[in-house]
Amino acid sequence: GQQVMQIPQYQHVQEGEDFTTYCNSSTTLSNIQWYKQRPGGHPVFLIQLVKSGEVKKQKRLTFQFGEAKKNSSLHITATQTTDVGTYFCAGNTGGFKTIFGAGTRLFVKA
Amino acid sequence: DAGVTQSPTHLIKTRGQQVTLRCSPKSGHDTVSWYQQALGQGPQFIFQYYEEEERQRGNFPDRFSGHQFPNYSSELNVNALLLGDSALYLCASSYTGVYGANVLTFGAGSRLTVL
Repeated sequence: GQQVMQIPQYQHVQEGEDFTTYCNSSTTLSNIQWYKQRPGGHPVFLIQLVKSGEVKKQKRLTFQFGEAKKNSSLHITATQTTDVGTYFCAGNTGGFKTIFGAGTRLFVKA
Repeated sequence: DAGVTQSPTHLIKTRGQQVTLRCSPKSGHDTVSWYQQALGQGPQFIFQYYEEEERQRGNFPDRFSGHQFPNYSSELNVNALLLGDSALYLCASSYTGVYGANVLTFGAGSRLTVL
């Protein structure tokens, strides 16, 4: 069945360093979303990418969707302690089921 | 504008028992999806309800069932509870429009512990 894989599983950074998480799907995606879950919280929608090669920015966050629509990345520039949490990618292949990756947990040391 | 509300927040059951979890979607949303999130894992899709019918299901046994009401609220029922059913159960609502129902708004979840 469809799988969405994320790497790395964990990332420890010093505040001010950059951070990137990668997402790969076993099948072509119709779209991909990114969510953030703070410790003890619930996933919160960040962004959706739909077009091949699409790049979107939200302040210090940059999201990319691969040309083949099978991979995506989230890059955070100059991390802050408020960036702590788990970042999930989630994809759809045209049906109604959204498949989540296992997430990348980000730790930021002040 | 109320977000997604779930109840109960926490509950403890014993093996073999049955549980019902409830969800009220965000105002304006018509679609409800249920997810199971084990500790340290990503949310796993259980099923999605739209127009009071289950329109897609994940790889979960028939012990997991659901319902959607005319006001779009939803219930998740789990029968014959197993220890492995212990998890955070997340309800996510969305709007089924031209671009599908992909953008999910999650509730805070119901933490189920099975002893």
